[in-house]
Amino acid sequence: DGGITQSPKYLFRKEGQNVTLSCEQNLNHDAMYWYRQDPGQGLRLIYYSQIVNDFQKGDIAEGYSVSREKKESFPLTVTSAQKNPTAFYLCASSTIGTGKLSPLHFGNGTRLTVT
Amino acid sequence: AQSVTQLGSHVSVSEGALVLLRCNYSSSVPPYLFWYVQYPNQGLQLLLKYTSAATLVKGINGFEAEFKKSETSFHLTKPSAHMSDAAEYFCAVKGGGATNKLIFGTGTLLAVQP
Repeated sequence: DGGITQSPKYLFRKEGQNVTLSCEQNLNHDAMYWYRQDPGQGLRLIYYSQIVNDFQKGDIAEGYSVSREKKESFPLTVTSAQKNPTAFYLCASSTIGTGKLSPLHFGNGTRLTVT
Repeated sequence: AQSVTQLGSHVSVSEGALVLLRCNYSSSVPPYLFWYVQYPNQGLQLLLKYTSAATLVKGINGFEAEFKKSETSFHLTKPSAHMSDAAEYFCAVKGGGATNKLIFGTGTLLAVQP
């Protein structure tokens, strides 16, 4: 079955360490997204990418970095510069184009805890 | 700029009662609107989407939503709540431009009492 795989489901890190969250999709979607979810704040867009080797900052990109070397993969690195990294991180993908309305398909998320 | 506002962060209903979750949108262009559901520690699942084809949109699990331009609303309803409907629900609007990035509301947590 096609879908989006995020790993690991739970991740624990010490403050000051960088950590990379994995996101892989086999839906052949061009666009991929990273959202951060905090209680009471909904989902906020961190980064998105519409094509390989290109990506754009979302609303809360500070302290994060991404790469898009393959269409299927869009890893997110949470750097030590991110002041409040503990959160639930969701990866999503979609087709793109103004003439299309493709909903986002989501992975099951990674819960990151930094102490 | 596009945005959505969900009124009520927590809603509680009895099993069998009507479910009404409110969403108002702001958009400078005809909006594309979505409702998603999230169960604990999982990703989001699409319930339904509004694409301007019809103002009443039917989704999965018996949910539906009505687009009302005059009220800038897209409220989610279900005639009879089931225990399995307990989850968090998010309203979202498509952001501008060629991307399909979504702008989400803050969510409404639905509790269903037996």
